[in-house]
Amino acid sequence: DGGITQSPKYLFRKEGQNVTLSCEQNLNHDAMYWYRQDPGQGLRLIYYSQIVNDFQKGDIAEGYSVSREKKESFPLTVTSAQKNPTAFYLCASSIQGASTDTQYFGPGTRLTVL
Amino acid sequence: AQSVSQHNHHVILSEAASLELGCNYSYGGTVNLFWYVQYPGQHLQLLLKYFSGDPLVKGIKGFEAEFIKSKFSFNLRKPSVQWSDTAEYFCAVNAHGNNRLAFGKGNQVVVIP
Repeated sequence: DGGITQSPKYLFRKEGQNVTLSCEQNLNHDAMYWYRQDPGQGLRLIYYSQIVNDFQKGDIAEGYSVSREKKESFPLTVTSAQKNPTAFYLCASSIQGASTDTQYFGPGTRLTVL
Repeated sequence: AQSVSQHNHHVILSEAASLELGCNYSYGGTVNLFWYVQYPGQHLQLLLKYFSGDPLVKGIKGFEAEFIKSKFSFNLRKPSVQWSDTAEYFCAVNAHGNNRLAFGKGNQVVVIP
């Protein structure tokens, strides 16, 4: 059963702590993306990666970091430097990262900072 | 950078009514345009997309969208909605050759049986 998995579904963290969100895909897609979704704000791009060991900042990368050591995995770390981390985080992938490619989304992780 | 505007964030309508959701973008070059939909409890998924050819695009579940270049618009339509069309709809755009998508703020559509 191919798709994108994100874990955990819900995550709570205390202020000042770093936290890593998992994203795995078995679609054999080259490109992967992280978005943040806030109520009434749509999706905003945090980071994206078009190939293993390479990634680029999106529109709101400050306070976040990523790695792409394997094709199927693209974890996102929310650092203590992120001023307003409480949000719904979506991971996506696309077959090659071409601009016409469809992006396929995971179920999301809802992060709450206490 | 491109930006996307969606108006009327909350839309409530009865079954069999017609639906039209507006999408306008700001970018002067060639663009690719997408509508994504998020049904309650489901993943965000593609409804339809346009990148070239016939500006009237047909998608899943009876939806269609028309690209009007002169108006920088890509409005989504469905002539007769069903209760199962209750969802949040997002318009997105990127520039040709650039896979960074810009999303609108979404339209929350509720269809009353």
